[in-house]
Amino acid sequence: EPEVTQTPSHQVTQMGQEVILRCVPISNHLYFYWYRQILGQKVEFLVSFYNNEISEKSEIFDDQFSVERPDGSNFTLKIRSTKLEDSAMYFCASSNGKGPDQPQHFGDGTRLSIL
Amino acid sequence: SQQGEEDPQALSIQEGENATMNCSYKTSINNLQWYRQNSGRGLVHLILIRSNEREKHSGRLRVTLDTSKKSSSLLITASRAADTASYFCATGSYIPTFGRGTSLIVHP
Repeated sequence: EPEVTQTPSHQVTQMGQEVILRCVPISNHLYFYWYRQILGQKVEFLVSFYNNEISEKSEIFDDQFSVERPDGSNFTLKIRSTKLEDSAMYFCASSNGKGPDQPQHFGDGTRLSIL
Repeated sequence: SQQGEEDPQALSIQEGENATMNCSYKTSINNLQWYRQNSGRGLVHLILIRSNEREKHSGRLRVTLDTSKKSSSLLITASRAADTASYFCATGSYIPTFGRGTSLIVHP
């Protein structure tokens, strides 16, 4: 069964540095998402992406975040100047359509540790 | 907020027993979804129940929805050690909003 793959599985970065998290969504999916989960807390929505543009974003997704689909397969999340509080698991997801009838498929996440 | 909250926070049972997890939410919904997250893994969509449905089954999973009480339950029958995971309910028409989850441990 097709899977969403994320790399790296664990990223350690110095505070203030830029970090790029990578995702390869399921190949025929059209909608892409990023979520984060701070240790012990809820999974929180960051951003959704469709047709090469952001379709929805949360308050968490401020100017230090950006997303890009640089080619036909990758979907990236960039954090420009990382802060300690950015330490979390970041999950990428993709779906074939919009809405609950098209469930999102999640990758296994990237653990981001900011030192 | 449409956000669901699961109860209990943690549940520990023996293999073969049934596990029941509950979810409460605050505002009207069009649908409610349940997800599973194994340790160190991403979320897996389990089942969707719409606001006009009262009960839905999928294999050993049974989900109920009571819109008058703004609550849902997930029942896993004849649990297995492999069912050990965190279970989340989620509301939201487009972007799921997750609760804190119920951590289920099934002892072999």
